[in-house]
Amino acid sequence: EAGVAQSPRYKIIEKRQSVAFWCNPISGHATLYWYQQILGQGPKLLIQFQNNGVVDDSQLPKDRFSAERLKGVDSTLKIQPAKLEDSAVYLCASSLSAAGAGTDTQYFGPGTRLTVL
Amino acid sequence: GNSVTQMEGPVTLSEEAFLTINCTYTATGYPSLFWYVQYPGEGLQLLLKATKADDKGSNKGFEATYRKETTSFHLEKGSVQVSDSAVYFCALFLQGGSEKLVFGKGTKLTVNP
Repeated sequence: EAGVAQSPRYKIIEKRQSVAFWCNPISGHATLYWYQQILGQGPKLLIQFQNNGVVDDSQLPKDRFSAERLKGVDSTLKIQPAKLEDSAVYLCASSLSAAGAGTDTQYFGPGTRLTVL
Repeated sequence: GNSVTQMEGPVTLSEEAFLTINCTYTATGYPSLFWYVQYPGEGLQLLLKATKADDKGSNKGFEATYRKETTSFHLEKGSVQVSDSAVYFCALFLQGGSEKLVFGKGTKLTVNP
């Protein structure tokens, strides 16, 4: 079974530029998550999709971050414009259940390491 | 709010040493508790979990027991290997609360041969 795929693995941009990350979850997984992991900290949930609907985006900085999950499968996370403090690893995860996390296992991709100069 | 506190790292051990990584939590109810592991260059993987008090999660020789009285979920392994070198994250999920995984800051473990 293929795991969660993410691209690119690394990205370096200047501040005020825009960037987009792509995620392909495990086939059949209803729920998709985007996390931000700043160096030295644990992952922080940015947004959670259930199929193609948003369940929780309370910690997404909506003035600069956006995300979509078209057709309930792949997802993209965009930052426009980027700030220095956006330097982090962006993790995508998916879980099987449409009921949300609970005790449902989340499977993580390898992440995209973003450096903003 | 809900939070997880892990012992500060990094932790450096010799092969076959005993490992304990402390984790305590604060939650408004009774959360499910998890340990995730992140090997170098890889994504997070679920290591073990416990969903109610006194449950013991175990996997790959690692164990953790959900202690409601001390609000703890310490990770232990009797004999570590070089291949256990990774970053370990404790996390909680509270159903009916914020409904999201809340992670600790992670503890980096290095095991030397």
